[in-house]
Amino acid sequence: GAVVSQHPSRVICKSGTSVKIECRSLDFQATTMFWYRQFPKQSLMLMATSNEGSKATYEQGVEKDKFLINHASLTLSTLTVTSAHPEDSSFYICSARPETSGREQYFGPGTRLTVT
Amino acid sequence: KNQVEQSPQSLIILEGKNCTLQCNYTVSPFSNLRWYKQDTGRGPVSLTIMTFSENTKSNGRYTATLDADTKQSSLHITASQLSDSASYICVVILGNQFYFGTGTSLTVIP
Repeated sequence: GAVVSQHPSRVICKSGTSVKIECRSLDFQATTMFWYRQFPKQSLMLMATSNEGSKATYEQGVEKDKFLINHASLTLSTLTVTSAHPEDSSFYICSARPETSGREQYFGPGTRLTVT
Repeated sequence: KNQVEQSPQSLIILEGKNCTLQCNYTVSPFSNLRWYKQDTGRGPVSLTIMTFSENTKSNGRYTATLDADTKQSSLHITASQLSDSASYICVVILGNQFYFGTGTSLTVIP
């Protein structure tokens, strides 16, 4: 149980284009989902917290107009990187918090984004 | 400032040997402390979960210890295997907030 999937697992896009990453909780409903970014040899850095049906809360320094987050249902959150630049190349990981658990998080397998 | 620091940053050991990874934290009080294993290109997977009052928790060849007085935790890996090569992340949880450590990259060589 408690499986979180991400799609795609890898994506390459050209500079200036937008790319969407999906995060799904497969066997539970998640009222809250988190998006993290991880650069090589560094730990996870929280980008934003999204709650189903409301606007996401972004961490300081994260551009909300560049990283669009939509949490339209209890099992799906999407992160759209708009007008991507090479410096946006990173490993993006989502996690989902079950609606029945106050503090648990289950992590997805991550999405490797490369912007050329 | 709530911080979680890990050492060493990287470690190379021979297959079959034991090793110990360290985690020092300033987050206090906390609800629980976890160790995660993150394979390259994958998301973190939970290895052990310890509450504030627990001193040790085992999961197969992985044993985590916690000293709340010194604010230190360690993860001991016994009889290492090639598949143990990964990053190991210490995470301290306070309320709903996850505080991630800097990670230790472990490489097990034959």
